[in-house]
Amino acid sequence: QKEVEQNSGPLSVPEGAIASLNCTYSDRGSQSFFWYRQYSGKSPELIMSIYSNGDKEDGRFTAQLNKASQYVSLLIRDSQPSDSATYLCAVLNYGQNFVFGPGTRLSVLP
Amino acid sequence: GAVVSQHPSWVICKSGTSVKIECRSLDFQATTMFWYRQFPKQSLMLMATSNEGSKATYEQGVEKDKFLINHASLTLSTLTVTSAHPEDSSFYICSARDSFTEAFFGQGTRLTVV
Repeated sequence: QKEVEQNSGPLSVPEGAIASLNCTYSDRGSQSFFWYRQYSGKSPELIMSIYSNGDKEDGRFTAQLNKASQYVSLLIRDSQPSDSATYLCAVLNYGQNFVFGPGTRLSVLP
Repeated sequence: GAVVSQHPSWVICKSGTSVKIECRSLDFQATTMFWYRQFPKQSLMLMATSNEGSKATYEQGVEKDKFLINHASLTLSTLTVTSAHPEDSSFYICSARDSFTEAFFGQGTRLTVV
């Protein structure tokens, strides 16, 4: 089992809809969780970090963490074509290693 | 967020030559730096992790003698691709973090070996 898993996609949603991106991790001692966005040909950029169970909202983005289920998600409300990118989930595990998932490609259709 | 500067952003070199890529953390001390490679339409592939003052830890399948990593200070790490060949052409990205923060990425270096 890989440490951090994501559906590779592509996930297609219509403009204005909610996009839901999911990530699971295997190290139960993981402490910190991050979502990055990567546009084609560019480096990843940090969108959100979350450290405790529950929801964390920042503008149109909401990160959700459930440590018991070892699950973290990112919701994007009112999706825009400019949100089309690959979204990477990253986990800081118990050994202080920073591990990335393979990424989910999101396509927002106008 | 913190700033990580990577240089050069693109480079073209002849087959058999070596190329050095620099990664600098501009406003924090990077105790750990990561080097990734990404081929078109593929995921980030971690090549190695380096901690300041220590030898880099390479991922399985990455040749340490070909991809030389130096992390001599808390703000600078370098990746040298030695005896580059066309199959080494790729997008190389560094990221850096200190002990307390998330990782921040450099802009990436697009290497083309001709």
